[in-house]
Order: sequence, then C-alpha cells, then structure tokens
Amino acid sequence: KQEVTQIPAALSVPEGENLVLNCSFTDSAIYNLQWFRQDPGKGLTSLLLIQSSQREQTSGRLNASLDKSSGRSTLYIAASQPGDSATYLCAALGGATNKLIFGTGTLLAVQP
Amino acid sequence: NAGVTQTPKFRVLKTGQSMTLLCAQDMNHEYMYWYRQDPGMGLRLIHYSVGEGTTAKGEVPDGYNVSRLKKQNFLLGLESAAPSQTSVYFCASSDLAGGPDTQYFGPGTRLTVL
Repeated sequence: KQEVTQIPAALSVPEGENLVLNCSFTDSAIYNLQWFRQDPGKGLTSLLLIQSSQREQTSGRLNASLDKSSGRSTLYIAASQPGDSATYLCAALGGATNKLIFGTGTLLAVQP
Repeated sequence: NAGVTQTPKFRVLKTGQSMTLLCAQDMNHEYMYWYRQDPGMGLRLIHYSVGEGTTAKGEVPDGYNVSRLKKQNFLLGLESAAPSQTSVYFCASSDLAGGPDTQYFGPGTRLTVL
C-alpha cells in the first residue's frame, strides 16, 4: 500500500531564504508525482506535476525533483516571499490504482 | 470557466440527519473524485467516477454514497450522519487519470456533525 510522508510538518523561514520541502513515498511504481498548494480555508492548487519518466519540473521560483529509485521528491522554493506562506502537499499517482495518495503536508510560514 | 464548484460551503448537521453535497465542473472532464481532509490525515479518497453513470469506492467509502447521473455533476450523500464524518470535503476532476493532466479541486465544503 502506497504511503506518502512529508517532512517537516511545519517550517518557518525569513523572507528571501531558499528552502526545500521533502516528500517520500513507499511504492516506486508511480505514474506521476504532484505538488499542490493549499491556502487556509481554500481548495488545492496544482503547482507542478512530474511524470515518472522525468527528473524535474520548474515553474518560476519553484523546482520539483523526482527520484523514483529512492522514493523521494523535493520542492525547492527560491527567494521565498511572505506570499508563499501556505500548506504544500505532495501526492503520488499510482500506476496500478490511478488514484492520488496524499502526504499530510508541510505548513510553510515566510516571515517578512 | 468556473472550474470546479461545490455546494454548500458550510453545513452543520445533527447525528442521524442526511444530506447531499453537490460538485459541478464545466471542463468536460471524465474523472471526478470526492476526498475528505482531516487534521494530520491528509486528503483521503472517498469515492470516484471514471465517467458518466459510473462510480467506484476509494480508500474510505463507508457511510457515503455517490451518483454521477450527468457528466458534469458528482453527488456525495450521507444517509445518516455521524460525528466521525465531521471534516472538510473536496471534490476534484481530471481529464485523464493517468495522463499529463492534474486534478482540479473545488473550494471545499466544511461539514460539522453534532
């Protein structure tokens, strides 16, 4: 059974700092790995999607990497801003189940 | 496009009452999903649908029923609400389950069962 873990559960950084959020998954037979952002009281917004054949995806200040062999993905945020404060969730799409399995998220606070 | 919308946004029920949550999408997506989000548990899949007229169980289906009579709508029903069903419910849709497309989420419904 796929399990997705995110460390740390919460992170506070000063504005301008570069940071890395971690995601690990137990079953490497995934179709893709997705990163979402969730603002308080809101739904989820897709940030980046990495197909199983890819190693990384970039969008603006965000870069996500995927290492299937080690069961890990990272989300790198460059030059963090207070507007980046939110909960970041990763989710693995199972190749066999076609279902997204979510981690519990990392709550990020960027201090001005 | 409105994307994915959910009705209602908030609801308070008493134990044993029933209700239906409505999800609508205007992107002509084939796949639709219902999740619940609880503190410390992440999002868990309740039921999903791979097309009009089809439904399937997810990870935590007990106590819920769903229907997909129209492609654009996916209904989640609670026949006899229990306090354990207090949660935030999210609906999502996608074009292809395993393709390059991601899932698009609605804003959520916050349900409290007393």
